[in-house]
Amino acid sequence: RKEVEQDPGPFNVPEGATVAFNCTYSNSASQSFFWYRQDCRKEPKLLMSVYSSGNEDGRFTAQLNRASQYISLLIRDSKLSDSATYLCVVNFLNTGTASKLTFGTGTRLQVTL
Amino acid sequence: GAGVSQSPRYKVTKRGQDVALRCDPISGHVSLYWYRQALGQGPEFLTYFNYEAQQDKSGLPNDRFSAERPEGSISTLTIQRTEQRDSAMYRCASSSLRGGVFTDTQYFGPGTRLTVL
Repeated sequence: RKEVEQDPGPFNVPEGATVAFNCTYSNSASQSFFWYRQDCRKEPKLLMSVYSSGNEDGRFTAQLNRASQYISLLIRDSKLSDSATYLCVVNFLNTGTASKLTFGTGTRLQVTL
Repeated sequence: GAGVSQSPRYKVTKRGQDVALRCDPISGHVSLYWYRQALGQGPEFLTYFNYEAQQDKSGLPNDRFSAERPEGSISTLTIQRTEQRDSAMYRCASSSLRGGVFTDTQYFGPGTRLTVL
């Protein structure tokens, strides 16, 4: 079983739709969680950190469920520019310290007119 | 300010040759990470440094791979006797100190695409 699992998609949604991605992780002692966005042939870029209380940044909402070991990302009012691969990322080792990150394979989102 | 930079952006080499990939982190970032990314996959950890000290090299696939960061800034990832299976995108990332504590929010460079013929 992979340490961080995501549905690879692709998710094809019309502009304006709401779309949600889930991610599961294997280690209940995991400490830090992130969503990164990666455009084709570009580097991953931090989208948002994920906190236990849940957090929102504009149209994006991230949730963490430690009991079930999953993380979610909700995108409301999808834009064409949201088309990208969304990477679920976990720091299994140390809370908020320099440490290796473990990435999922990514979920591809394609927003269409 | 300037982000993480990597050079070369593309490297084509013949099997058996050694290659050196360079990473220049964001100015002031104390931690530096190397990852490898295959097509259709997320980045896979190789190694990381705090300042000049290599903290974790558990992701290096074998002893042909090594990394150094002698002055705590620029880092070099070296692959000796390259093999075709080494072909991938090699990415570098860096992170900062905040309030004297190392952070794990990592910023990635554009990568070096390595092709071994």
